[in-house]
Amino acid sequence: DAKTTQPPSMDCAEGRAANLPCNHSTISGNEYVYWYRQIHSQGPQYIIHGLKNNETNEMASLIITEDRKSSTLILPHATLRDTAVYYCIVRSPNSGNTPLVFGKGTRLSVIA
Amino acid sequence: DTAVSQTPKYLVTQMGNDKSIKCEQNLGHDTMYWYKQDSKKFLKIMFSYNNKELIINETVPNRFSPKSPDKAHLNLHINSLELGDSAVYFCASSSGQGRKTQYFGPGTRLLVL
Repeated sequence: DAKTTQPPSMDCAEGRAANLPCNHSTISGNEYVYWYRQIHSQGPQYIIHGLKNNETNEMASLIITEDRKSSTLILPHATLRDTAVYYCIVRSPNSGNTPLVFGKGTRLSVIA
Repeated sequence: DTAVSQTPKYLVTQMGNDKSIKCEQNLGHDTMYWYKQDSKKFLKIMFSYNNKELIINETVPNRFSPKSPDKAHLNLHINSLELGDSAVYFCASSSGQGRKTQYFGPGTRLLVL
């Protein structure tokens, strides 16, 4: 699986959009971009994933650049409960039921 | 209707003791995992089981022995506990179908004194 690079921390004002970047310049053509988050004292939680098209669900939007070398997770209206560590993970669809490889992630602090 | 549950949530014990952590998933998944999150907050895989068979065993001391009595359960037994075993242990599960999203339990906080 390709390596990802994320900023160690970010702040966001409550109610504003939180845009979390991820670089994955070595991503290969069939690898997906997954996002998970870990709220303090809880287990990691799946947020969203995508291949090359932008994706949106009830939690977030995922924007993947045309060259697929980077992506941005967008929380459109951040709340205090979105304070967490966000992990960007690149995985092959042939990974099967293989474990996730977590990096250091981005610690997002949503400020009132 | 908890998807992945772990017991106990907290475990405080003395060095040298033997302890077990239990994990159950009610999602009908065929693969279960144990991850360890150390004091620096790095999450790393320890074991992976598919249909009760061990698939992945990372470089974990053999004092750690996972056991899967059925597809819905994956327990972790730890012998001769050491100070360095203090961490948060997360169980997770996933299905061979669909997008293979992993679902995590709430974690077991182990403190070895």
